Amino acid sequence: ETGVTQSPTHLIKTRGQQVTLRCSSQSGHNTVSWYQQALGQGPQFIFQYYREEENGRGNFPPRFSGLQFPNYSSELNVNALELDDSALYLCASSTTGSDEQYFGPGTRLTVT
Amino acid sequence: GNSVTQMEGPVTLSEEAFLTINCTYTATGYPSLFWYVQYPGEGLQLLLKATKADDKGSNKGFEATYRKETTSFHLEKGSVQVSDSAVYFCALSLYNQGGKLIFGQGTELSVKP
Repeated sequence: ETGVTQSPTHLIKTRGQQVTLRCSSQSGHNTVSWYQQALGQGPQFIFQYYREEENGRGNFPPRFSGLQFPNYSSELNVNALELDDSALYLCASSTTGSDEQYFGPGTRLTVT
Repeated sequence: GNSVTQMEGPVTLSEEAFLTINCTYTATGYPSLFWYVQYPGEGLQLLLKATKADDKGSNKGFEATYRKETTSFHLEKGSVQVSDSAVYFCALSLYNQGGKLIFGQGTELSVKP
C-alpha cells in the first residue's frame, strides 16, 4: 500500500510569485485535505477536495486554490505569495465516511 | 467556536518516566478526538483516536480517554523512551464539518537517556 506523497520537498519563492504543490493520495483514498503549518504551530485547515470539488474551506483567502484529479491526486496553488505564506504545507488523504486522515511528509515553502 | 488547547511545552523527561500531556477541547456537537505525532522533519502520524465518551484509544504504549464531562483527552504513557521524542498534537473533528481536523498548538516532548 502506497502512502501519501508530496512534491516538491522544499521550495523557495519570491514575494508576489505563484506556487503549485502536489499531492498523491494513499491507495484507495478518495478525499484530500490540505493544511498549513507555520513554524511552532499546529496545522490549520485550508480546504478539502472530494469528487474533484472543493468540500469545505478554512479561513484562507481566495488566492489559495486547489484541484483534484480523477485519480484523486491534488494540487494546491497559491498566488501573489506573501512572506507569511512561509510554512510547511501538509496534504492528508482519507476515505468517504472515515474520520482518519493520513498525512504526507509535507512541502516546506519559504517566501523571501 | 471549536478549538483545542494543549499544555505548553517543551516537556523534558528522563527515560522510563511517566508522561502526561494535557488536552482540552471546545466543540459544538460530539467530536472525534485524536492524537497525532510529528517526528523531526516529517509529517504527522496518527497515534490514537476515540470517537465517543469514555472510549479509550491506545497505541504503542500511549493511551488517552475521551472525557466528555471535563472535555478532555489527555495523553499518557507509563514509561517513555528516547525514541518518543517528538511533537504531539491533539485534534478534533466533527462529522458535520466533513472531517476537517482542528489541531492544538502542539507539545514538544524531549526524553533524555
